[in-house]
Amino acid sequence: DAGVIQSPRHEVTEMGQEVTLRCKPISGHNSLFWYRQTMMRGLELLIYFNNNVPIDDSGMPEDRFSAKMPNASFSTLKIQPSEPRDSAVYFCASSFQGPNTEAFFGQGTRLTVV
Amino acid sequence: DAKTTQPTSMDCAEGRAANLPCNHSTISGNEYVYWYRQIHSQGPQYIIHGLKNNETNEMASLIITEDRKSSTLILPHATLRDTAVYYCIVRVATGGGADGLTFGKGTHLIIQP
Repeated sequence: DAGVIQSPRHEVTEMGQEVTLRCKPISGHNSLFWYRQTMMRGLELLIYFNNNVPIDDSGMPEDRFSAKMPNASFSTLKIQPSEPRDSAVYFCASSFQGPNTEAFFGQGTRLTVV
Repeated sequence: DAKTTQPTSMDCAEGRAANLPCNHSTISGNEYVYWYRQIHSQGPQYIIHGLKNNETNEMASLIITEDRKSSTLILPHATLRDTAVYYCIVRVATGGGADGLTFGKGTHLIIQP
């Protein structure tokens, strides 16, 4: 398996624009996680899905952020409208469902909002 | 999830064993200890995890004290590629669902040539 695949790797956008980040989890994994990493706040969990269902979105910073998982092989994280403070590296991770499991992370999307 | 405490940074000579401590004095009986690392500009990478017993895999060994209030990650023969931020995380062993990981600040391990 190619691992967790995120696209794009880098995104530069202007303030106010809509941004969509994409993630393809490892085949067979049924849990998917979105994280954000900044220098100030470190790695933060935004939202996670089990079997395509959002379980906990308490980490989503504002209503401008939304995430979907229409099927087991694809998820999106959308920011609309984007703001400069959204600049960060966004990671997607997947795992088998269950507490005694390891999560596999993608390479991340570096988002810059100017 | 229980809180963990790790040193901010550590140095280790190449070829020597790197021993990274983690304190988790409030850990509950149903919480696992996980270790991940993050090499610069990459996503976090799973290393090892354990509940009570010591664990070993091809990457590292995990030593958990008998009272489970602290643990040590051991990289037996550190190389320059092991330079990274190492995160110690405790995670509740819940029922059937998977929940997310709570990352702290971790330990920045620098392997010196």
